[in-house]
Amino acid sequence: AQSVAQPEDQVNVAEGNPLTVKCTYSVSGNPYLFWYVQYPNRGLQFLLKYITGDNLVKGSYGFEAEFNKSQTSFHLKKPSALVSDSALYFCAVRDRLGKQLTFGSGTQLTVLP
Amino acid sequence: GAVVSQHPSRVICKSGTSVKIECRSLDFQATTMFWYRQFPKKSLMLMATSNEGSKATYEQGVEKDKFLINHASLTLSTLTVTSAHPEDSSFYICSARGGEGAEPYGYTFGSGTRLTVV
Repeated sequence: AQSVAQPEDQVNVAEGNPLTVKCTYSVSGNPYLFWYVQYPNRGLQFLLKYITGDNLVKGSYGFEAEFNKSQTSFHLKKPSALVSDSALYFCAVRDRLGKQLTFGSGTQLTVLP
Repeated sequence: GAVVSQHPSRVICKSGTSVKIECRSLDFQATTMFWYRQFPKKSLMLMATSNEGSKATYEQGVEKDKFLINHASLTLSTLTVTSAHPEDSSFYICSARGGEGAEPYGYTFGSGTRLTVV
């Protein structure tokens, strides 16, 4: 069975500082990995994905994530946080044969002005 | 890009009544749609997988007679909460996986429906 762990329920960072939101996964074979962001009372918006190729993936709004196979991690990063980045972030994984996404528990990011 | 429209965004209903939530793929055909339930500040719980033209596959613990799913066309799936009770109050989100036009390998999500049962 596939699973995703987001070890931090809450991450606080000052505006302008770099941010990291952690994600580790477990899946059979090579994974498809995703990051989504959710604003209050809204659905999930796609940020970025890792399918194959370069381990460093760049996505929307200046976010990027690095796929690390040996550590089974896919941490989300941004060099300089904005107050508007404050939201709930979800990491998700899918194996290459299945249909279903498995989500992590979510990390609430708060960027302080 | 791929768009999934979910309607209504908010609904308040009386206990004992039924509520229907629609999920439409606007610019692609979605052979598979997923319905999730999200509790406050919690992750998404997959309720069921909806396949066009066949019965939905429900996750363990989800009552199929209470949460009726219909996927009668390649662009529309509906979730009907029957005989709603206050404990059914939640945020429901659909997502779709389809062919050309949809995000490759991934999923497009609707904007969610806030259901409040009074």
